[in-house]
Amino acid sequence: SAVISQKPSRDICQRGTSLTIQCQVDSQVTMMFWYRQQPGQSLTLIATANQGSEATYESGFVIDKFPISRPNLTFSTLTVSNMSPEDSSIYLCSVSGVQREGLLQETQYFGPGTRLLVL
Amino acid sequence: AQTVTQSQPEMSVQEAETVTLSCTYDTSESDYYLFWYKQPPSRQMILVIRQEAYKQQNATENRFSVNFQKAAKSFSLKISDSQLGDAAMYFCAYRTDGSGNTGKLIFGQGTTLQVKP
Repeated sequence: SAVISQKPSRDICQRGTSLTIQCQVDSQVTMMFWYRQQPGQSLTLIATANQGSEATYESGFVIDKFPISRPNLTFSTLTVSNMSPEDSSIYLCSVSGVQREGLLQETQYFGPGTRLLVL
Repeated sequence: AQTVTQSQPEMSVQEAETVTLSCTYDTSESDYYLFWYKQPPSRQMILVIRQEAYKQQNATENRFSVNFQKAAKSFSLKISDSQLGDAAMYFCAYRTDGSGNTGKLIFGQGTTLQVKP
């Protein structure tokens, strides 16, 4: 599958600060997504990162809290702003439309995740 | 809106035995994709198997196979000859109908599978 890396892999942050998570893919992709996952629970889609335009946010998530950038077809960032303990979670990047022969276009591939703890 | 339901929060299986994980979904679409993902304790989500709704034949990947019942909106995963490495959380997911590759995934609640030696 596509090789997806996320930085940092984990972090402990103080409330009121911001953290930017990076997602890098080893191939050009059409779509990039950001999810949030509480340990042992399912995934919740935060937003779809669109290349060259503003991200598309899901209900309950806003740009001021989770600004997203996608400057090219292989990279995206998610910032968690003005953090509170409720933001403690695992943040996952995923991609679809991987432009590599043999990979299924409609399938989403996931990064390893970023574990965030806010004190 | 589409929904995905996994009614078994936890399942256990003896090593080398077979186990079936259940998934049902609700949709008004006729063309879509269904997936099973595996998430081991290390958290990396891995694709196990996928099924295109327009295909009548059930997908198979080595020890993993699905029972896709389109009319019943059911999509169960069968794991044969279970191995210790199969222990993980399994998620069923439905891909919404988006143009090109814009379709989003809707996940079920997950089933934690324990494999006993």
